[in-house]
Amino acid sequence: AQSVTQLGSHVSVSEGALVLLRCNYSSSVPPYLFWYVQYPNQGLQLLLKYTTGATLVKGINGFEAEFKKSETSFHLTKPSAHMSDAAEYFCAVSGTGRRALTFGSGTRLQVQP
Amino acid sequence: GAVVSQHPSRVICKSGTSVKIECRSLDFQATTMFWYRQFPKKSLMLMATSNEGSKATYEQGVEKDKFLINHASLTLSTLTVTSAHPEDSSFYICSAREASGRWETQYFGPGTRLLVL
Repeated sequence: AQSVTQLGSHVSVSEGALVLLRCNYSSSVPPYLFWYVQYPNQGLQLLLKYTTGATLVKGINGFEAEFKKSETSFHLTKPSAHMSDAAEYFCAVSGTGRRALTFGSGTRLQVQP
Repeated sequence: GAVVSQHPSRVICKSGTSVKIECRSLDFQATTMFWYRQFPKKSLMLMATSNEGSKATYEQGVEKDKFLINHASLTLSTLTVTSAHPEDSSFYICSAREASGRWETQYFGPGTRLLVL
């Protein structure tokens, strides 16, 4: 079984500041981990994913995430926030035995001018 | 990149009526499609997994007689909410997995907002 916990339902940062969105997971099998972004009234867009190999994963729009097995974490970061980054972010996990995704509860990112 | 469309994007219906939502993979063949439901300010909850040509697999707690899923072709899956009630109002999102692609890659549709009066 898999589960995902996203700490902080709302995160607010200033434009140009570091973005850090936290995600912890549990999985009974080696996890595949994902970050998705959702803009209002739209579907989900994949930001990045970790499957195997390099634990630091780079995605679109300047985002990256690091898989830390010892901490069961997959936090999302971006060095400098932009106004267009304001959206809902979802962390998700999928194990090899379960082809669908299990999503976290989401974190709404606000970017202040 | 791969595109998934949903139709309609928004629907309002009266209580007791049925509503059909279509999910199409526009430029690829999808052997598997997933249907998710998203409540306001909540995460996505998987409702069912649909494989082309076979019966859908429903998650625990999802009424298969109420949420009818059909995946008749490699590019189309439909979700029919039968005898809809106000508590069925939600944002429904489908995703599709490419037949020739990696299993962990899903492409999401833009969602359908259902409001039952």
